Amino acid sequence: EIVMTQSPATLSVSPGERATLSCRASQSVSSNLAWYQQKPGQAPRLLIYGASTRATGIPARFSGSGSGTEFTLTISSLQSEDFAVYYCQQYNNWWTFGQGTKVEIK
Amino acid sequence: QVQLVQSGAEVKKPGASVKVSCKASGYTFTSYYMHWVRQAPGQGLEWMGIINPSGGSTSYAQKLQGRVTMTRDTSTSTVYMELSSLRSEDTAVYYCAISHNYCSSTSCYPFDPWGQGTLVTVSS
Repeated sequence: EIVMTQSPATLSVSPGERATLSCRASQSVSSNLAWYQQKPGQAPRLLIYGASTRATGIPARFSGSGSGTEFTLTISSLQSEDFAVYYCQQYNNWWTFGQGTKVEIK
Repeated sequence: QVQLVQSGAEVKKPGASVKVSCKASGYTFTSYYMHWVRQAPGQGLEWMGIINPSGGSTSYAQKLQGRVTMTRDTSTSTVYMELSSLRSEDTAVYYCAISHNYCSSTSCYPFDPWGQGTLVTVSS
């Protein structure tokens, strides 16, 4: 099983600032990496797939990069609605998720 | 638009079984694969398995083999997930989610969209 490790566990950011989230795979997943956003009491929502392609309706302030084993999700200027938990998922070999990064208001 | 609507919350005793439903609409039911993912309170996401609504074939996470069964009813565009021999560790929110295909030789597919979730509580 491919293990996904996200860092940090919690990220404290002020509105308008940039947030950078990391995700590492235990072996190469090529570009088969997705990011999801989950708000309290809601289901996860697909943000990014193919490591860098925004899903339909996702604002341009969300961007993804990386390939192989190292990936990054960047939120360029945090809005109030962006404070949430973010999960990475590899789908190169079946499906596994990272443990999540909580983005909270500083 | 594609929509997945799940059944309501359940409370079960240890050793019992639970069956959660996921009704799909807004697309051809047999065109996309359906997954189940669970999330224990305050925890991350765990993939449970996949069903092909077209033929009914399934694949399950090794951890749940023997306890989970996924079925579908094409007449109502509904997928079911049944988990047996429940224990307290199975307390979680259970989600259904779609992927547009299974797996090719080079990759599988991400999940989009997801159902609203069903809370299953296992308690004596």
